[in-house]
Amino acid sequence: AQKITQTQPGMFVQEKEAVTLDCTYDTSDPSYGLFWYKQPSSGEMIFLIYQGSYDQQNATEGRYSLNFQKARKSANLVISASQLGDSAMYFCAMREGEDSSYKLIFGSGTRLLVRP
Amino acid sequence: SQTIHQWPATLVQPVGSPLSLECTVEGTSNPNLYWYRQAAGRGLQLLFYSVGIGQISSEVPQNLSASRPQDRQFLLSSKKLLLSDSGFYHCAWSAGKLNTEAFFGQGTRLTVV
Repeated sequence: AQKITQTQPGMFVQEKEAVTLDCTYDTSDPSYGLFWYKQPSSGEMIFLIYQGSYDQQNATEGRYSLNFQKARKSANLVISASQLGDSAMYFCAMREGEDSSYKLIFGSGTRLLVRP
Repeated sequence: SQTIHQWPATLVQPVGSPLSLECTVEGTSNPNLYWYRQAAGRGLQLLFYSVGIGQISSEVPQNLSASRPQDRQFLLSSKKLLLSDSGFYHCAWSAGKLNTEAFFGQGTRLTVV
């Protein structure tokens, strides 16, 4: 079974508007972390935001916020005031606390295109 | 500050040739190290991880091998490349904690021809 599911292969957004990228996850571990990464055309993975399973509030980092709905097992990324430079691939990832390797498990990604 | 170096950035290799990719981390000790592969337009698949010198765990059976000869050095190699080995290879490190992000190198784009 997929541990991380991103159902939107591609998304468009108008510049200066907000966009939500979906991510659902599957784990039985009560302790886990959720991450979002951005991958521009250069290929490098850039960390954006983190949400812990025990965090009471949704994480925010500048224009990025994470809409964490624990009961639904979703961790959607919200980008406010989109900029042309936001065009990239976006990946949701999870790390499970009982996994001593602390590896990140990635979803298949969403390609975001910001229109001027 | 911590940095991660991965090279080469781009590689074109014929089928059946050997492969050697190198990744080094600076500014931290005893990092967890990871090799991921990303097929074109796809997500990242974990190939190997290491929690210490000489300790390698493989996530998927494949034509590749990994080694960690030093604390901050992680190598990926193959004796004979296959066409299916083409892809974007990422090296990453993280502290052994739940709530810390993984830091990625610039990646290596491998094309097997």
